[in-house]
Amino acid sequence: GEDVEQSLFLSVREGDSSVINCTYTDSSSTYLYWYKQEPGAGLQLLTYIFSNMDMKQDQRLTVLLNKKDKHLSLRIADTQTGDSAIYFCAESIRDKIIFGKGTRLHILP
Amino acid sequence: ETGVTQSPTHLIKTRGQQVTLRCSSQSGHNTVSWYQQALGQGPQFIFQYYREEENGRGNFPPRFSGLQFPNYSSELNVNALELDDSALYLCASSLNSGNTIYFGEGSWLTVV
Repeated sequence: GEDVEQSLFLSVREGDSSVINCTYTDSSSTYLYWYKQEPGAGLQLLTYIFSNMDMKQDQRLTVLLNKKDKHLSLRIADTQTGDSAIYFCAESIRDKIIFGKGTRLHILP
Repeated sequence: ETGVTQSPTHLIKTRGQQVTLRCSSQSGHNTVSWYQQALGQGPQFIFQYYREEENGRGNFPPRFSGLQFPNYSSELNVNALELDDSALYLCASSLNSGNTIYFGEGSWLTVV
């Protein structure tokens, strides 16, 4: 089956690290993605990881992939108020992308 | 800025009407996909066009149809609108169904 699960909410203090977790079901996924969506806006591609990699780092973002457990995480270091948004985990399967329901990241002062 | 532009940004239609949404893909991208995002949900795949041919379809009824033009721009048409069609419609473009997929800002459709 094709399903992507992620927790709906996360609250983090400004300056701390945020870790958003995701599980997926289809082992044939080629790429796994993290998208960011701010209120009233479209989807911004944050980063992606090829399914044969286990880690990717891009400035404040670190993606970890555990293919055995079908678990993907996004770590945002030094979380800022501008990071407040909904973060979508997604997997590519053949011609389409399957999205989770999104994790709303709330930044505490 | 992703280079993917969609129009209109907002529109209101009456149940039973028809709507056409438009998308210009990023320069050089030959693949366009359409997604529906209902409030509080993740985007759901509607269909994909590659070089003017439908290349895959999600679980949407036939009243959702599309076109891709020689310049790779695309249209999404929805006939016989229902209240549940109210959503954000997102267009995404890529090169050859590749790994880098960019989304437009979307078209907000409200059906009353």
